[in-house]
Amino acid sequence: DAKTTQPPSMDCAEGRAANLPCNHSTISGNEYVYWYRQIHSQGPQYIIHGLKNNETNEMASLIITEDRKSSTLILPHATLRDTAVYYCIAARQTGANNLFFGTGTRLTVIP
Amino acid sequence: GAGVSQTPSNKVTEKGKYVELRCDPISGHTALYWYRQSLGQGPEFLIYFQGTGAADDSGLPNDRFFAVRPEGSVSTLKIQRTERGDSAVYLCASRHSGTGSYEQYFGPGTRLTVT
Repeated sequence: DAKTTQPPSMDCAEGRAANLPCNHSTISGNEYVYWYRQIHSQGPQYIIHGLKNNETNEMASLIITEDRKSSTLILPHATLRDTAVYYCIAARQTGANNLFFGTGTRLTVIP
Repeated sequence: GAGVSQTPSNKVTEKGKYVELRCDPISGHTALYWYRQSLGQGPEFLIYFQGTGAADDSGLPNDRFFAVRPEGSVSTLKIQRTERGDSAVYLCASRHSGTGSYEQYFGPGTRLTVT
């Protein structure tokens, strides 16, 4: 699976949009981009995934560049409960689909 | 419905002892995963079950680690002759592999401390 690169940490003011970038320049054509987050002392939680089109659900939006080499997770109105480590993962939707998490981005939402 | 549950939540054991960690997946989920998370790191894949069989055990670090899922539901991760380096949070996840959905649902983890 392709390696992803994320900034180690980011801050965001409460109520503002949080934009979390991810680089995946070696992503292959059949790999999806997944985002999970992990709130302190909990297991990871699925957020959203996409292949090449932008995606939106009740939690977030995912913007994937046309060349698919990078993406951005957008939390439109960050709350204190969004403070967590966010992981961007490239994975195929075949076979085991085991996830390579990396070290993620620690997002801190500031009151 | 109930999520993935893991027991115990915390386990302290002495070096050299044997431990078993249990995972109860979401009912009906045929895919089950074990991951290990060391402090400050992301989770690392250990093993994947599809039904009762271990379809991918490439992440198990050595032969002291073994996992079973005899009836295709509950899984047990077994660690023999524990070492201090085995101290970590062990996470279990399950997935419904028949719906085309690839989201994994994680349990809260078992924190293992080897003294």
